[in-house]
Amino acid sequence: GAGVSQSPRYKVAKRGQDVALRCDPISGHVSLFWYQQALGQGPEFLTYFQNEAQLDKSGLPSDRFFAERPEGSVSTLKIQRTQQEDSAVYLCASSFGGYQETQYFGPGTRLLVL
Amino acid sequence: AQKVTQAQTEISVVEKEDVTLDCVYETRDTTYYLFWYKQPPSGELVFLIRRNSFDEQNEISGRYSWNFQKSTSSFNFTITASQVVDSAVYFCALSEAYGNNRLAFGKGNQVVVIP
Repeated sequence: GAGVSQSPRYKVAKRGQDVALRCDPISGHVSLFWYQQALGQGPEFLTYFQNEAQLDKSGLPSDRFFAERPEGSVSTLKIQRTQQEDSAVYLCASSFGGYQETQYFGPGTRLLVL
Repeated sequence: AQKVTQAQTEISVVEKEDVTLDCVYETRDTTYYLFWYKQPPSGELVFLIRRNSFDEQNEISGRYSWNFQKSTSSFNFTITASQVVDSAVYFCALSEAYGNNRLAFGKGNQVVVIP
């Protein structure tokens, strides 16, 4: 079956622009995660959804970052007024259940803020 | 505090050599899960293994093997008879019972297999 898909794969934004990153999880997966990966680093947790409920958003770096999953499937990560330090790869992952199950990752969106 | 430490940043090996990647973790939970992922140049994280804290049996899958030792809080990964296709960044990750399912990743090991 299809894996996790993300769009766009690449995004260039001017500083101050808003961006929206989309994640399509594996069909039927309850849990969805967003991670941020800076160059040369491991992914860092941003936020976690179980169905449409956002259960943990403690990793979001500022109030410019907002995520939603209104129907419990597709999720969007929005970054308002982008800054250069937001440049990173944004990874989405999904898992079947809600308890420490294997997370399957999408290809990521590479965001470059100029 | 770093929950997962992968000390070796870049490791170069000649094809057919074995390579071992060290992972040391830190947690107060008695129930937790450990993972290894591979990130090839394409960028997508590929799942390799998931192991829970109550299962200390070592595991072998083809040329890959894992050594889990709770006494030293380590979950090391060995690639036997390395191939050029093994060139990638490998990440060790920890999921704690009370961590809301989030994964805490190490900084990764860049493995370069020289033909």
